[in-house]
Amino acid sequence: QKEVEQNSGPLSVPEGAIASLNCTYSDRGSQSFFWYRQYSGKSPELIMSIYSNGDKEDGRFTAQLNKASQYVSLLIRDSQPSDSATYLCAVKSNQGGKLIFGQGTELSVKP
Amino acid sequence: DAGVTQSPTHLIKTRGQQVTLRCSPKSGHDTVSWYQQALGQGPQFIFQYYEEEERQRGNFPDRFSGHQFPNYSSELNVNALLLGDSALYLCASSSAAGELFFGEGSRLTVL
Repeated sequence: QKEVEQNSGPLSVPEGAIASLNCTYSDRGSQSFFWYRQYSGKSPELIMSIYSNGDKEDGRFTAQLNKASQYVSLLIRDSQPSDSATYLCAVKSNQGGKLIFGQGTELSVKP
Repeated sequence: DAGVTQSPTHLIKTRGQQVTLRCSPKSGHDTVSWYQQALGQGPQFIFQYYEEEERQRGNFPDRFSGHQFPNYSSELNVNALLLGDSALYLCASSSAAGELFFGEGSRLTVL
């Protein structure tokens, strides 16, 4: 079992729709969770962090965390073509604090 | 406020050669982490430096070594390059809050 798992996609949604990206993790002791956006040929950019169960909203983005189910998700409302990128889920290790990344989900927003 | 800066941005080496990559952290950050990202994969943790010491290391061979200087900048050295070392090498800096911010990366091609 991988430490952090994401569907690789690609996930295709029409412009204006809600994109839902999912991530599961194996270390039950993890406390910090992050979503990064990576455009093709570029480096990852931090877009959301979440530390407590529940929802955290920032503009069109909502991160959801369920520690009991070891599940993190990212919702993007009113998706725009400029949201087309690979979204990386990252979990901070309970041992030493390194970030462990999933393989990323490629999102394509069609005009 | 300068973000994380890395150099060089692109480089080509041949098998068996050695390479040094450089990183300057974001202002106010004292911890530097290095990641390797192969095409289509999420970043893989190489090691982390804090107070000029290697604090944590991922599953990379001893050919990968690093250093942190008193001004918090860092170097990643890779000896005896293999074709499989071709990747995007990402430097990330963080403060006590723990959120990682990435530089633009150094793309290494080994021929």
